[in-house]
Amino acid sequence: EVQLVESGGGLLQPGGSLRLSCAASGFDFSTFSMNWVRQAPGKGLEWVSYISASSRYKFYTDSVKGRFTISRDNAKNSLYLQMNSLTDDDTAVYFCARDPPNCYDGSCLHGHDYWGQGTLVTVSS
Amino acid sequence: TVLTQSPATLSLSPGESATLSCRASQSVGTYLAWYQQRAGQAPRLLISDASNRATGVPARFSGSGSGTDFTLTISSLEPEDFAVYHCQQRGNGISFGQGTRLEIK
Repeated sequence: EVQLVESGGGLLQPGGSLRLSCAASGFDFSTFSMNWVRQAPGKGLEWVSYISASSRYKFYTDSVKGRFTISRDNAKNSLYLQMNSLTDDDTAVYFCARDPPNCYDGSCLHGHDYWGQGTLVTVSS
Repeated sequence: TVLTQSPATLSLSPGESATLSCRASQSVGTYLAWYQQRAGQAPRLLISDASNRATGVPARFSGSGSGTDFTLTISSLEPEDFAVYHCQQRGNGISFGQGTRLEIK
């Protein structure tokens, strides 16, 4: 059974940093590209970042470029999101989401087939 | 690419059919997905590539469209279908619509 379990969320002040983790199990993590998607309270979904299976390709939404860094450790079946210089606008539930197997390295055109339950990040003074 | 979903809220009764729309500001080909999100839960993939049902998704869910106009149809609504539905495009970067809330009338 595919499982994605996020952790690392919490309450912090503006300007702070946080590292989110996503532990994957039930599939060959090293062969799938992964994503972070967030959802602000009462709002819609917003794609945040993508990393290819090999880590060669990394993409970010404009609002987090230069502040967030996506990474993965295939030996540990884990995905990470390092978040720096956090602002109130970063308050959201952060989900990790898997891309399906029929994707190319650095490019995926299909929907995310598995999602974790999310971890809440609250940025407030 | 901006995705605009309509209506924002749809009020229907169990047994009725629902038609949800997603319009893209530019062509995304058929690289359009639909997700269902029940309250307090993670999104669940329903439809990928505009019309391909994901594994385990009931046949009452169907997707259609290409280019800029897409539709999710749910025939004969079940109580568990009342949720928020999101569309997502991956034809030009990645973006989501703002969601359509399907509520019980």
